[in-house]
Amino acid sequence: GAVVSQHPSWVICKSGTSVKIECRSLDFQATTMFWYRQFPKQSLMLMATSNEGSKATYEQGVEKDKFLINHASLTLSTLTVTSAHPEDSSFYICSARRPAGGPNEQFFGPGTRLTVL
Amino acid sequence: AQSVTQPDIHITVSEGASLELRCNYSYGATPYLFWYVQSPGQGLQLLLKYFSGDTLVQGIKGFEAEFKRSQSSFNLRKPSVHWSDAAEYFCAVGGRNSGNTPLVFGKGTRLSVIA
Repeated sequence: GAVVSQHPSWVICKSGTSVKIECRSLDFQATTMFWYRQFPKQSLMLMATSNEGSKATYEQGVEKDKFLINHASLTLSTLTVTSAHPEDSSFYICSARRPAGGPNEQFFGPGTRLTVL
Repeated sequence: AQSVTQPDIHITVSEGASLELRCNYSYGATPYLFWYVQSPGQGLQLLLKYFSGDTLVQGIKGFEAEFKRSQSSFNLRKPSVHWSDAAEYFCAVGGRNSGNTPLVFGKGTRLSVIA
């Protein structure tokens, strides 16, 4: 149990276009999901915390209008990179947390590789 | 504030040799502790976790880790490394509350395995 999927696994787009990445918890309901960004040979950098039915909480330095996060249901959160530019190329990873009451454990998706040309 | 330190950026070991990856954390109370492994271009795979109880935790792929409260450490060990263990390893700490606190990751240790 506790499987998280991401779609697409990789995407290549032209500069100026928008890209949507989906994160789904397949066998549990996730009231909270997290979005991370990872540059080559670096650790995961938390971008935002997404709660179902409410606005996402962004980390300092992350542009809210650039990285739109929607957590419309208990099993789906989306990250939209708007007007993507080459510097947005990165590996994006989501994670989902079980509902409150259990251990604070996150389950990670396989990641999405974004390349902006 | 929570923090995780992985002092070794890169470690090279010979196949068959033992391995220890270091992890030190800073947290105000007893945390939840995790080790993840990441192969190039892949997502994170959970190796093991510590929530409570026995401080020596067994994980997948023959890995184990020991929680030492007095040293604020959670070092990862494997008695005999295989070439397929070459990857990036991340230690992470999480709070015990049921809020929205995300995991905090160390910067990672890259493991290379030589013949």
